[in-house]
Amino acid sequence: DTEVTQTPKHLVMGMTNKKSLKCEQHMGHRAMYWYKQKAKKPPELMFVYSYEKLSINESVPSRFSPECPNSSLLNLHLHALQPEDSALYLCASSQQGADYNEQFFGPGTRLTVL
Amino acid sequence: LAKTTQPISMDSYEGQEVNITCSHNNIATNDYITWYQQFPSQGPRFIIQGYKTKVTNEVASLFIPADRKSSTLSLPRVSLSDTAVYYCLVATGTNAGKSTFGDGTTLTVKP
Repeated sequence: DTEVTQTPKHLVMGMTNKKSLKCEQHMGHRAMYWYKQKAKKPPELMFVYSYEKLSINESVPSRFSPECPNSSLLNLHLHALQPEDSALYLCASSQQGADYNEQFFGPGTRLTVL
Repeated sequence: LAKTTQPISMDSYEGQEVNITCSHNNIATNDYITWYQQFPSQGPRFIIQGYKTKVTNEVASLFIPADRKSSTLSLPRVSLSDTAVYYCLVATGTNAGKSTFGDGTTLTVKP
């Protein structure tokens, strides 16, 4: 299984809502990532988890809260978002400690903040 | 982090070979060069990765000169379905993360 799954595919939320994005992989990868991608722009790294511990936070606002409950699962909790946070949110995973960094991406969650 | 520079867009015709060059002047000794393909509303997909010289797989070749300050992705005999955005990344594989995507090259293949 070389697939990264993300749910939901689409999400519409108001600025006062709390929601969560979910990402799952069963490739035994111990590095997992969250990216944000705006239209016609490259993906921007948000967070990296390595062995279920947060290793990189690219100065992301606290209204985005990542969580890695186990080695297969990655969540992104959303609260009090702004309309400018509307974007495609991508999850990826890769082997940790390898001399290469092939990341496997999920299809993304299209988020719209009203 | 090594910054990458790619052409913004390229046009080609079906059946032609396409070469996309990426500049990465401050590549570090441990960095690998990776190329991804992305279709609209999908996640990027790994194409090929290399460290030096030439790497070839079933879909592409990657040419890296000795100084490693640039790399060229070669797509043989493109088809309409190769129309996509192609990203070059330079990153250290042993340090999970810190992969910064460049602006990407939008390749349009015409019939």
